[in-house]
Amino acid sequence: SAVISQKPSRDICQRGTSLTIQCQVDSQVTMMFWYRQQPGQSLTLIATANQGSEATYESGFVIDKFPISRPNLTFSTLTVSNMSPEDSSIYLCSSMTGYEQYFGPGTRLTVT
Amino acid sequence: GQQVMQIPQYQHVQEGEDFTTYCNSSTTLSNIQWYKQRPGGHPVFLIQLVKSGEVKKQKRLTFQFGEAKKNSSLHITATQTTDVGTYFCAPQGGATNKLIFGTGTLLAVQP
Repeated sequence: SAVISQKPSRDICQRGTSLTIQCQVDSQVTMMFWYRQQPGQSLTLIATANQGSEATYESGFVIDKFPISRPNLTFSTLTVSNMSPEDSSIYLCSSMTGYEQYFGPGTRLTVT
Repeated sequence: GQQVMQIPQYQHVQEGEDFTTYCNSSTTLSNIQWYKQRPGGHPVFLIQLVKSGEVKKQKRLTFQFGEAKKNSSLHITATQTTDVGTYFCAPQGGATNKLIFGTGTLLAVQP
């Protein structure tokens, strides 16, 4: 199993600003994933972050809006850039151990 | 792209009643996972199904993978209040083994 922490746990930001979310895993993992979840909705995959290469983004998500860093095998960051109220959501990171995915507690973002 | 629908969206049961959620895909799946998300929590892995027609049990939970590998179900026998949460099916695939989460079923259990 893996234990994942995220910072911050929540934030309220003004439109037009950027927020960087940090994700730390307690063990080395190859793949890390970033998801977005609107309240009461399912999880939508934003991108896959593989250490040593550029992140792979899903349809509808672009690097300029959601730049991702993966500097080592235990850490990743997701930046939400030039925020608008539509970016208000819960952002979760996850890692894969074997075939199981383990999730962080999430970052609740509110954009005003 | 791949779509994974779950029905029902919401189910309210009395404690002790059974519950079933169904997961349907528009494409054939290589495998499927199930996750549970408690209110205010994050998804937690329950199980993975790989083989056509596979059935797996975990105490009161029974998971099934369809013969055509396009659908799956989760059945809970004699629900308890601890079963409350949203249940997601999630096919896994692609070069990165990414998960595509289904729409989810929210289970409410009345004591």
